[in-house]
Amino acid sequence: ETGVTQTPRHLVMGMTNKKSLKCEQHLGHNAMYWYKQSAKKPLELMFVYNFKEQTENNSVPSRFSPECPNSSHLFLHLHTLQPEDSALYLCASSQELNTEAFFGQGTRLTVV
Amino acid sequence: QQQVKQSPQSLIVQKGGISIINCAYENTAFDYFPWYQQFPGKGPALLIAIRPDVSEKKEGRFTISFNKSAKQFSLHIMDSQPGDSATYFCAARGGGSNYKLTFGKGTLLTVNP
Repeated sequence: ETGVTQTPRHLVMGMTNKKSLKCEQHLGHNAMYWYKQSAKKPLELMFVYNFKEQTENNSVPSRFSPECPNSSHLFLHLHTLQPEDSALYLCASSQELNTEAFFGQGTRLTVV
Repeated sequence: QQQVKQSPQSLIVQKGGISIINCAYENTAFDYFPWYQQFPGKGPALLIAIRPDVSEKKEGRFTISFNKSAKQFSLHIMDSQPGDSATYFCAARGGGSNYKLTFGKGTLLTVNP
């Protein structure tokens, strides 16, 4: 295990649902990230938090809403998603912004 | 400018053979080039990384070769094993205050017994 835990591992939701993805890191890191991984595409950085403050929003649609209540927890709130949002959502953390990132196992999201 | 182009998309190698995955980039400001390994159902894990001031880095059976003038770098897996079967991603970091990683599309490696 890498010390980054994501729940749930799998999620199926309808387009009108609201759900949340959770990430917790036990590494004492200061930076946390959300990535989207789609088949045949590079990993896409979505959001970055450093010391609980959002430092990056990579032009992500507002139907994705991140929350970072403390340096150990990161959430991704989902609402009115589209089928093309189906993907593996990966959380990562690093000690500082430019140091090695450790990834969680991801949440496989399917939007129906 | 920010793309990292990775090839091949998939690779099949016999046990004991050499696996070679290539990446090319355009942005000369990139200052750190990691390779990640991802097994099914797992997140990517850092495998090996190199900085542009060296031409080669070796860790066990894994070697990165870096050609700064050609803006290319590659991963070599010597004596490939079935347990190496995974998806491999190259990446490049922005440089300076730009901490963001730009990833390649990945290579699915299958090592046959």
